[in-house]
Amino acid sequence: RKEVEQDPGPFNVPEGATVAFNCTYSNSASQSFFWYRQDCRKEPKLLMSVYSSGNEDGRFTAQLNRASQYISLLIRDSKLSDSATYLCVVNKGGSYIPTFGRGTSLIVHP
Amino acid sequence: DTAVSQTPKYLVTQMGNDKSIKCEQNLGHDTMYWYKQDSKKFLKIMFSYNNKELIINETVPNRFSPKSPDKAHLNLHINSLELGDSAVYFCASSPVTSGSYQETQYFGPGTRLLVL
Repeated sequence: RKEVEQDPGPFNVPEGATVAFNCTYSNSASQSFFWYRQDCRKEPKLLMSVYSSGNEDGRFTAQLNRASQYISLLIRDSKLSDSATYLCVVNKGGSYIPTFGRGTSLIVHP
Repeated sequence: DTAVSQTPKYLVTQMGNDKSIKCEQNLGHDTMYWYKQDSKKFLKIMFSYNNKELIINETVPNRFSPKSPDKAHLNLHINSLELGDSAVYFCASSPVTSGSYQETQYFGPGTRLLVL
């Protein structure tokens, strides 16, 4: 099993749709979880951290399920500008080594 | 002002050459990283420095040598370039809070390396 796994997609959704991505991780001792966004030919940028109790930032909601070892990202009311690749990042347990998933591609169409 | 900057943005070179990529951050962060993103878009950490000290070296060939003259700079020197080195190289920085595992990384714009 890979350390961090994501469905590469692409997820092709209309504007206004709700879409959810999952990311599974293999190391049960992992402590830190993040979602980054990467636009085509650009650098990754932090979208949001993922906290144990779940957290929300506007249209974006992140959840952590430690028992099943996955994190999720929910995007409500999708905008055209949400089209990007969403990268899941997990810090190896007990260290600062960040492991990136391969990303999930989202395409929002009119 | 650019928070994390890299030079050059593009680098095209022949196999066997030696090249360097420079990275600077003006965020006052303690930790800097080098990542490689290959053609399949997989982003993999190569090195990490904390206050000029190497803390992560993820099984990278010896041809790659990072150098950190001060905590605001982390340069990457690559000897004897190979075709498989073609990729996008990202520099990043992050603050490190003692006792906390939460880190936000700030990435540079990337250097697109093509080895012919």
